Amino acid sequence: GAVVSQHPSWVICKSGTSVKIECRSLDFQATTMFWYRQFPKQSLMLMATSNEGSKATYEQGVEKDKFLINHASLTLSTLTVTSAHPEDSSFYICSAGGTHYNSPLHFGNGTRLTVT
Amino acid sequence: DAKTTQPPSMDCAEGRAANLPCNHSTISGNEYVYWYRQIHSQGPQYIIHGLKNNETNEMASLIITEDRKSSTLILPHATLRDTAVYYCIVRVDMEGAQKLVFGQGTRLTINP
Repeated sequence: GAVVSQHPSWVICKSGTSVKIECRSLDFQATTMFWYRQFPKQSLMLMATSNEGSKATYEQGVEKDKFLINHASLTLSTLTVTSAHPEDSSFYICSAGGTHYNSPLHFGNGTRLTVT
Repeated sequence: DAKTTQPPSMDCAEGRAANLPCNHSTISGNEYVYWYRQIHSQGPQYIIHGLKNNETNEMASLIITEDRKSSTLILPHATLRDTAVYYCIVRVDMEGAQKLVFGQGTRLTINP
């Protein structure tokens, strides 16, 4: 089945620094990828839709200047958390696939971000 | 996308069938029912999906009522590794990637 890979699986950074998370589709091309965030004991919240070769589409309430998304190729999307603060500590998950009728989205294994 | 309603938690004995219900009374004709599960600290795992016919794969069975307003995910012989949060999601099926909107899901605990 389709495989989506995320890197790193966990990262600790200091407040004020930026962190980049990569999401790769390993065995298929993905013109669209989705980024989610999940706080402890809560469900996944969609942050943005990443579109290859064009600007990302952000959900309401998500700061586009804080969460920079780049989708430069058909197999890679990156999420950069800029000027991270402790409240940005969360589990970030990407997904890809589902581009054809009757096909599911697949998810990466997530990135645990801790901002100290 | 139509919203879904699931019980917040369920328990099931190991080796027994786990039946997870989902209500989606406002589902549209072109919306599929998808099931995912999330084991602690991992990304969601696709389980199964269907439109109106019952579906079965190596992981589970999906039973959709004739009016499509509800469905049941069946794990035929639950194991301890099936302990997870299970999400029922309805999603429009069309060309081009379509986002998934997650509800709160059902926390299924398999007991030894």
